[in-house]
Amino acid sequence: QKEVEQDPGPLSVPEGAIVSLNCTYSNSAFQYFMWYRQYSRKGPELLMYTYSSGNKEDGRFTAQVDKSSKYISLFIRDSQPSDSATYLCAMSANAGGTSYGKLTFGQGTILTVHP
Amino acid sequence: NAGVTQTPKFRVLKTGQSMTLLCAQDMNHEYMYWYRQDPGMGLRLIHYSVGEGTTAKGEVPDGYNVSRLKKQNFLLGLESAAPSQTSVYFCASSSRLAGGREQYFGPGTRLTVT
Repeated sequence: QKEVEQDPGPLSVPEGAIVSLNCTYSNSAFQYFMWYRQYSRKGPELLMYTYSSGNKEDGRFTAQVDKSSKYISLFIRDSQPSDSATYLCAMSANAGGTSYGKLTFGQGTILTVHP
Repeated sequence: NAGVTQTPKFRVLKTGQSMTLLCAQDMNHEYMYWYRQDPGMGLRLIHYSVGEGTTAKGEVPDGYNVSRLKKQNFLLGLESAAPSQTSVYFCASSSRLAGGREQYFGPGTRLTVT
């Protein structure tokens, strides 16, 4: 079983829809949770990052972490065609500050927002 | 400010050939990483470096070697390429201040081994 599981989709939604992307994980040592966006044939770019449980909002994007359920989500409100990309969740432990940013990624979810 | 650059962008190798992928960053970051991305597998860490002259193994290090002789460069070597190493390779960098958690990625190198 993989440490981080992410539904690969693909997910296709109409413009303006609310999108929900999710990951589950098994390693309780994970404390930092990131979402990366990757456009076709490009490198991933950091979208949001949260520490421990709770919500974080940035414009149309909201990241949620539920450590008790080992479940994280990314919500996109008022989705736009420009949001069409692969979304990757990533996680990192903090073993006394020596994790050095070693990330464990989910498989990525392919999202298409059609006009 | 170019960020993270990778050369080459594409490469085709025959089984058994060797090559070196170069990653360069101009953000003065201490940490650098090499990942590979395969369909349905997400990104997997190959090797990483927390400073000039230091390297460490990641999740899938077999068949690869790395060197970090200068702070801004991180090289990934394949000594004897195998078809299983066909993949897209990404380099990333991050500052020690950010704990390595905010990683900046390069555009990738598409490698095919025949």
